[in-house]
Amino acid sequence: DVKVTQSSRYLVKRTGEKVFLECVQDMDHENMFWYRQDPGLGLRLIYFSYDVKMKEKGDIPEGYSVSREKKERFSLILESASTNQTSMYLCASEQGNSPRGYNEQFFGPGTRLTVL
Amino acid sequence: TQLLEQSPQFLSIQEGENLTVYCNSSSVFSSLQWYRQEPGEGPVLLVTVVTGGEVKKLKRLTFQFGDARKDSSLHITAAQTGDTGLYLCAGGAGYALNFGKGTSLLVTP
Repeated sequence: DVKVTQSSRYLVKRTGEKVFLECVQDMDHENMFWYRQDPGLGLRLIYFSYDVKMKEKGDIPEGYSVSREKKERFSLILESASTNQTSMYLCASEQGNSPRGYNEQFFGPGTRLTVL
Repeated sequence: TQLLEQSPQFLSIQEGENLTVYCNSSSVFSSLQWYRQEPGEGPVLLVTVVTGGEVKKLKRLTFQFGDARKDSSLHITAAQTGDTGLYLCAGGAGYALNFGKGTSLLVTP
């Protein structure tokens, strides 16, 4: 089974702090994603990466950056946390260029971040 | 961004009842996934449908992909309290998936 783990289940930070959210997958997947999930807004894509050191902006990249130095690890960075970044953060991975012709994303358990 | 509309937004039923939730779009998708998310957890993939008209069954859950690959439905027979959760549909669009906002299902004893 695919295993996607996230470094923290719950995190409380103060406004202005730098925040690191870590995600690790163990299935040698090429593609990794960061989403945030908010009531009434659904899942929104922040950034994704389709290879080591490669990154692409999603729908809401402002206020975030990412790092992918190793294939199995994809980090989300909040350079200066703000209260409007309080949310549930979800990491996902998927096999790139699946021979089936479609891709399926596998999610981690999520990090509930509160910024005070 | 290709939008996916899910309905109903909320659904509360009693154990044993049947229900259907819908996922609709004006766009064609190469594949469509259904996920279930329990409170405080990440979404878990239930099924992927790829062929227009395709029907897949997972125990009491029946998934159908529309002939034109623009819509899908999830039917649950004889719902159980363990079916409670947020049901999300997602359509394949290049590198990323487009997610609907979900149907929140509550099954009471």
